[in-house]
Amino acid sequence: KAGVTQTPRYLIKTRGQQVTLSCSPISGHRSVSWYQQTPGQGLQFLFEYFSETQRNKGNFPGRFSGRQFSNSRSEMNVSTLELGDSALYLCASSLAAGTETQYFGPGTRLLVL
Amino acid sequence: KQEVTQIPAALSVPEGENLVLNCSFTDSAIYNLQWFRQDPGKGLTSLLLIQSSQREQTSGRLNASLDKSSGRSTLYIAASQPGDSATYLCAVYRGSNYKLTFGKGTLLTVNP
Repeated sequence: KAGVTQTPRYLIKTRGQQVTLSCSPISGHRSVSWYQQTPGQGLQFLFEYFSETQRNKGNFPGRFSGRQFSNSRSEMNVSTLELGDSALYLCASSLAAGTETQYFGPGTRLLVL
Repeated sequence: KQEVTQIPAALSVPEGENLVLNCSFTDSAIYNLQWFRQDPGKGLTSLLLIQSSQREQTSGRLNASLDKSSGRSTLYIAASQPGDSATYLCAVYRGSNYKLTFGKGTLLTVNP
């Protein structure tokens, strides 16, 4: 069974631009979560989707948004990029409510110049 | 607000040693606790999941325990190997907010 895949793996953008990251969960998984990882703050929760519905959103500005499609694939978008958005963005999937093991993808490394 | 603390922040041991990593959390109303390892620049690999009703889980040389009432979990690694070198993260899942809350991790180095 294929694992969680994320594209692209690496991205370089400049301040003010916007970016879209993609996550394909493990087949059959309906819950997708996004996390931001930085050296200073560690892993912080961005949002969680289940059956195309956002069930929770972390404490991030409105520039961060996401969505989930009917095939459970998810995208997150960051508009008006800032230097502080440079981070590793990780996606995780689980079967349903997240009460099962959550499986993480390899991440997208975003560098904002 | 749930806070997760991992001690120590870094640990260096010689190969073959048994070791314990600690994780504590402030809100005992959790659904489960999960231990992960992360290699440099990579994603997270799930090691063990302990449901709130369980006391421990074992996988190979790894054993994780959970004491929900005291807000503590330990990850025991037996006969450590250089390949165990990584950052180990614990995370708690409350359920009602659909998110994992992570500790900052323990950086483990196993020296040959």
